[in-house]
Order: sequence, then C-alpha cells, then structure tokens
Amino acid sequence: QITLKESGPTLVKPTQTLTLTCTFSGFSLSTSGVGVGWIRQPPGKALEWLALIYWDDDKRYSPSLKSRLTITKDTSKNQVVLTMTNMDPVDTATYYCAHRPYYSLSGFDPWGQGTLVTVSS
Amino acid sequence: QSALTQPASVSGSPGQSITISCTGSSSDVGGYNYVSWYQQHPGQAPKLMIYEVSNRPSGVSNRFSGSKSGNTASLTISGLQAEDEADYYCISYTSSSSLVFGGGTKLTVL
Repeated sequence: QITLKESGPTLVKPTQTLTLTCTFSGFSLSTSGVGVGWIRQPPGKALEWLALIYWDDDKRYSPSLKSRLTITKDTSKNQVVLTMTNMDPVDTATYYCAHRPYYSLSGFDPWGQGTLVTVSS
Repeated sequence: QSALTQPASVSGSPGQSITISCTGSSSDVGGYNYVSWYQQHPGQAPKLMIYEVSNRPSGVSNRFSGSKSGNTASLTISGLQAEDEADYYCISYTSSSSLVFGGGTKLTVL
C-alpha cells in the first residue's frame, strides 16, 4: 500500500522560504519510471501543478514558478523536499505531494492528505 | 502555460450520463495522449479516475470513461450516482515537459 504525507510549517511570513517534506512508503524512488510530484490548491480554487522529480533525479517545474522552486529527493529516507522562495499571501494553499506511477506520465496516484500553508505577516 | 479550459459546472440526474470537456491546444492535450482526470470531494485529496486519456486505474468504476478528439479531452460518467457529485479536474502533459491542470468542473447530481 502506497502512502504519502506532507509536513512543514502551517504559517510563513511574506518573503520567507517555504520548505515542505513529503514522506512516503510502499514504493521506492529508485524504481525506474517512478516519480513524486507536488500540487497545490488555494482555498476554493483549482489545482496547480508545481514540480515533479523522477527516479533518475530528473526534475520538472511549473514554468510560471520555476525561478522560485527547488525539488530534491532523499531515496534512503523515502522523502522528497520542495522549497519555494519569496512566499506571498497568494501562495496560501493546501500543498499536496503525490506518487507518479511508472505507467503514467500525467497520472498521480495516490495523493497525500495535503497540508495547508498560510502566508501572512 | 495557460490552464486547460473546463466548464465551471455540469449537472445531471441519477442514472443519466454526463460529459465534462477539457480543451487545450496542440502543445498539450492535442499533442499527447497524456491526459488524466481526477475526482475531488470536499475536504479530500484528489483521486485518479482516468489516466492517459482512457485508462482506468484498478478499483475505479467502469461508469467512468475518457476519450480525446483533437485538442479536447472528455470524461464521461454513465449511470450517474449521488456519490459522483464532486469537483473534476483534467491534467495534461505539455510540450515544455511540464504538466498543466484544467480549471475544474463542479458536478451536481440533481
């Protein structure tokens, strides 16, 4: 059974850097084709894809946020870390991490429960 | 990369069929067979319902089906049930090797 859980601060101040950790079980990020992605959802709004890291350490970012995002993995700890710099109140959202199976380029399955991050002074 | 276009809302009665569209461009939906659909109930994480246009993950009801024509992908739900009431999102791979979601569609079961 694959599970993922996001962790990190619930409140950050404007201009600060957000660091979120996704801790997973039930799969290995060293398995060919596998990836872990980050997706966010502002309250009452649509999903937005942020970043994806593959088993071979290839990384993909949302073009609109690329300059602010960094995704890394620690295969031995079964963790993926997302950092987002220069946080702004518009970045207030629930942040999800999700498993990207080897057989799908666009399908994330399953997702973590999500963690709400509020940006406010 | 602009978000894919979905209708804001659709509705149907129990037992009926509904279709949700997801329109992009030749740089995303039209260029690749990498479109997936997610169902999200209030307060819950999204759930994968269809991947790569028309494939159902294990455990997803065969009442859910997907297709694509040109730059538009579609999700069809047949035999509508009350439990299908949720938000639905499409996502597509893009020519810049990134991913882009649709704006979401709220399905109401009358």
